[in-house]
Amino acid sequence: DVQMTQSPSSLSASVGDRVTITCRASQSISSSLNWYQQKPGKAPKLLIYGASNLQSGVPSRFSGSGSGTDFTLTISSLQPEDFATYYCQQSYNTPLTFGGGTKVEIK
Amino acid sequence: QVQLQESGPGLVKPSQTLSLTCTVSGGSISSAGYYWSWIRQHPGKGLEWIGSIYFSGSTYYTPSLKSRVTMSVDTSKSHFSLNLTSVTAADTAVYYCARVTTTVTTMGWFDPWGQGTLVIVSS
Repeated sequence: DVQMTQSPSSLSASVGDRVTITCRASQSISSSLNWYQQKPGKAPKLLIYGASNLQSGVPSRFSGSGSGTDFTLTISSLQPEDFATYYCQQSYNTPLTFGGGTKVEIK
Repeated sequence: QVQLQESGPGLVKPSQTLSLTCTVSGGSISSAGYYWSWIRQHPGKGLEWIGSIYFSGSTYYTPSLKSRVTMSVDTSKSHFSLNLTSVTAADTAVYYCARVTTTVTTMGWFDPWGQGTLVIVSS
């Protein structure tokens, strides 16, 4: 199985901050990496697919980069509605696996 | 747009079978290029993929649950189902259904998702 490791597990940030979340795969997964946002009591929402492709309707302050084993989700200017938990997910092979999540909290 | 809705019992007794259905609306469950999936989330924890099914009936299951999981699809009713046998308290979780967009070579990303349904395993 491909293990996905996210860091940090949580972070505190202020509105307007630039936020970076990292996801590392236990083996090369090419660009088969997807990012989700989950708010309490809600289903996850797709943000980025294929490492760097912005899902339709997602604000452009979200961006993704990376390939191989190391990937990054960046929020260029954190907004109040962005406080949530973020998950990466590899789709290189089955079983499909998720990272442990990064909780973004208000400083 | 495509919408998914989970349904099924919210309480299941230990050793019994958990059965959930996901109804797809706003699009065809028989569309090429999409698998239909179940994912669960233990309380306060991360996300765990359970398995995926194609409209033809082809399935993929996560190895840790494979011996207890069966997924099926009914294209005439536009729904797919999950059966998880011999449940224990460790199967208590929010269960989500979702569509997977496949790529040329791999499974892909989950979108959209159902709202999720909490299943508690308790006597």
